[in-house]
Amino acid sequence: DAGVTQSPTHLIKTRGQQVTLRCSPKSGHDTVSWYQQALGQGPQFIFQYYEEEERQRGNFPDRFSGHQFPNYSSELNVNALLLGDSALYLCASSFGGYNSPLHFGNGTRLTVT
Amino acid sequence: QKEVEQDPGPLSVPEGAIVSLNCTYSNSAFQYFMWYRQYSRKGPELLMYTYSSGNKEDGRFTAQVDKSSKYISLFIRDSQPSDSATYLCAMAALTGTASKLTFGTGTRLQVTL
Repeated sequence: DAGVTQSPTHLIKTRGQQVTLRCSPKSGHDTVSWYQQALGQGPQFIFQYYEEEERQRGNFPDRFSGHQFPNYSSELNVNALLLGDSALYLCASSFGGYNSPLHFGNGTRLTVT
Repeated sequence: QKEVEQDPGPLSVPEGAIVSLNCTYSNSAFQYFMWYRQYSRKGPELLMYTYSSGNKEDGRFTAQVDKSSKYISLFIRDSQPSDSATYLCAMAALTGTASKLTFGTGTRLQVTL
């Protein structure tokens, strides 16, 4: 049973560029959430997608956007990259309900130079 | 003041010791409480998930929640070198979605031989 898979594992971008990160949820899960984890910090909630719509959003600027596809996979897009966007980006999946625990992937390590 | 406070450690214990990890929180809306384990260069792995006050046991792990004091704990019995990792507490409000987790900064644990 495949868990949450993310690609790529590592990425290096230049300030001002745009990046797309991808996530496939755990089998049977239909909800995808994205988190940003800076070095030495806990993950911070970016947003959540359910039924192809953004259901809830954290305190992140509009440069961060996402999409969910009919097969429940998801993308995270970040425009106009800043040095401060360097972090581990984690995707987590769960099953529909509000009380369902999250299962995380191993993340994409983004470095902005 | 952060909504969730967690001592970053590092915490070093000998093999076989009982480990106690703790978090305090200030938001009384938090109703769901989780503990995740994160190995270096990996995503967080769900260890414990609880809703009510009191204790919940799973193998060597016991999660304790005291809502009146806004204090949660994770106990690890008979600690092993393989338990060396960062432990993250996380919480969510009942009225929102349990996918929007607020994490502590994580406590780094080292179990020595």
